[in-house]
Amino acid sequence: NAGVTQTPKFQVLKTGQSMTLQCAQDMNHNSMYWYRQDPGMGLRLIYYSASEGTTDKGEVPNGYNVSRLNKREFSLRLESAAPSQTSVYFCASRLSAGFSSGNTIYFGEGSWLTVV
Amino acid sequence: AQSVTQLGSHVSVSEGALVLLRCNYSSSVPPYLFWYVQYPNQGLQLLLKYTSAATLVKGINGFEAEFKKSETSFHLTKPSAHMSDAAEYFCAVTATGGSNYKLTFGKGTLLTVNP
Repeated sequence: NAGVTQTPKFQVLKTGQSMTLQCAQDMNHNSMYWYRQDPGMGLRLIYYSASEGTTDKGEVPNGYNVSRLNKREFSLRLESAAPSQTSVYFCASRLSAGFSSGNTIYFGEGSWLTVV
Repeated sequence: AQSVTQLGSHVSVSEGALVLLRCNYSSSVPPYLFWYVQYPNQGLQLLLKYTSAATLVKGINGFEAEFKKSETSFHLTKPSAHMSDAAEYFCAVTATGGSNYKLTFGKGTLLTVNP
């Protein structure tokens, strides 16, 4: 039962470098999310994809791009990394787009990114 | 729009003592509410959720939470703390119905359990 799988788990980047965080889920979920977690800030939504073929900005989208490659995969790209993007990134997924049934959002294990 | 406030960024209890983690929400429509737990260097795991079926919700590991509309609260409790409960806890809220896709998190409460 893999659930939500993120890669890489750890990464160190130099300022200005680019990288892509990969996320895949095997639960046949429609909606996928990228959050970042910073001390004392909780989790903040970067981008989300309500369903395959759609993406939308969350609270803190600046400096990031996303691609919903197919139903399973949702990647997050940092085009030119900055120290302010040092954070822990979580991918998540949920069965359906609306919360009409309060269905649960499932999280990956996280990706620790340091930008120096 | 909805928001969550977790009162107390750090709560410390003795093993065997009552655990009470506070969460107040703001929502213009009836909410769904969630508590997640995060152990060190791990992802978030759902503890319990309120989806309007019952105001007292029981979750995993002996935790429960009560939805109180009049107080706009959804506090998390456990009668007797165990060392393994030490973790960070997040309350989250979303609006019911419509096409709301977003789950808004509080800033978290770090629970320390002392022997």
